[in-house]
Amino acid sequence: DTEVTQTPKHLVMGMTNKKSLKCEQHMGHRAMYWYKQKAKKPPELMFVYSYEKLSINESVPSRFSPECPNSSLLNLHLHALQPEDSALYLCASSQEGYRGEQPQHFGDGTRLSIL
Amino acid sequence: GEDVEQSLFLSVREGDSSVINCTYTDSSSTYLYWYKQEPGAGLQLLTYIFSNMDMKQDQRLTVLLNKKDKHLSLRIADTQTGDSAIYFCAEGNQGGKLIFGQGTELSVKP
Repeated sequence: DTEVTQTPKHLVMGMTNKKSLKCEQHMGHRAMYWYKQKAKKPPELMFVYSYEKLSINESVPSRFSPECPNSSLLNLHLHALQPEDSALYLCASSQEGYRGEQPQHFGDGTRLSIL
Repeated sequence: GEDVEQSLFLSVREGDSSVINCTYTDSSSTYLYWYKQEPGAGLQLLTYIFSNMDMKQDQRLTVLLNKKDKHLSLRIADTQTGDSAIYFCAEGNQGGKLIFGQGTELSVKP
């Protein structure tokens, strides 16, 4: 069982809709991440929050908007998405801020389909 | 630049050992990771090894690291059908980003 919980598990939305993906961890981790993954490809980093501050934005289009309300929660707000944004969106967390020597723990993801 | 390479497919028979190989380029890597992804699921952290170690064993899993050749391998002993998944190798360096390989799809035949 994963200790990083993502909701919803599946989401279908039209290109004009606004929706949000949610991620929660109760391991006391101080870094949280959003990744995008296409089928049978490795995850691609989108955003990193370290100590509740946005540390990394990998040139992600503004139709994706991250939010970190507190150290346990991470949201990804979606607006005016394109069909090519259909993918598995993964949340991850690591213990002490954003460092490569900290193992990242992943949730099961939200499978997003854009009509 | 940083790059991690893996072969894309591996097929083994149930009960045999599986060996998944990975090569990386960044000599400053501090930790190297193996993740497993089953269909429809997220990435499960299987094991990781610090760059000053040669080997790490955890039950059926053995990780070997050849730092000189920048080669990492994951051996799964007594492979079961439940081991069928995609296995990702990843390197983490002091810059902070995880660099993933393309993933090796392991198929276990009964």
